[in-house]
Amino acid sequence: QQKVQQSPESLIVPEGGMASLNCTSSDRNVDYFWWYRQHSGKSPKMLMSIFSNGEKEEGRFTVHLNKASLHTSLHIRDSQPSDSALYLCAASRSSGSWQLIFGSGTQLTVMP
Amino acid sequence: GALVYQYPRRTICKSGTSMRMECQAVGFQATSVAWYRQSPQKTFELIALSTVNSAIKYEQNFTQEKFPISHPNLSFSSMTVLNAYLEDRGLYLCGARRGADERLFFGHGTKLSVL
Repeated sequence: QQKVQQSPESLIVPEGGMASLNCTSSDRNVDYFWWYRQHSGKSPKMLMSIFSNGEKEEGRFTVHLNKASLHTSLHIRDSQPSDSALYLCAASRSSGSWQLIFGSGTQLTVMP
Repeated sequence: GALVYQYPRRTICKSGTSMRMECQAVGFQATSVAWYRQSPQKTFELIALSTVNSAIKYEQNFTQEKFPISHPNLSFSSMTVLNAYLEDRGLYLCGARRGADERLFFGHGTKLSVL
């Protein structure tokens, strides 16, 4: 059983719509969550990180974290076709940890 | 521009042969470089963490005998996949941090196919 579960596996949203992606860790020792985006054929790039309970917003992207349930979610508003990619959630025990535990990802497709 | 260059971008090798991939940090000192593998099922695994002037730390299921790593200076690291078989297929990524920046910068990855 993977320690970081992401849902849904795939998601299709219309251009301009809201995409909501979920991630939960079963490892209670993790404290830090990271969201990476990987376009097809490219390397993953970090979108946002969150360590504290609550919400963090950067442009069209908002991340929520509930540390009690070890659940984080990524919301993309006004989705664009260029947002189509594999979104990977990762958890770690510290901000500087190399042992990132990745989920299997959510494949997001934004339809024009 | 890219901060971490990785090459080759893709390679095909015959079963039982070996292939080497290289990773170069541009414009910063990569004291530590981590090597990951993304399997065809998309899951990521940390293979090993290499720190200059320290022993390379391999994760469970990965060994130096199978994935020897060289990290001779602060800008370069290489990893070889020895005796590659089908189960070694995947995208191999090197990652490095730049100073206190928490972000992990990945190279473009080396896609390994095994015939």
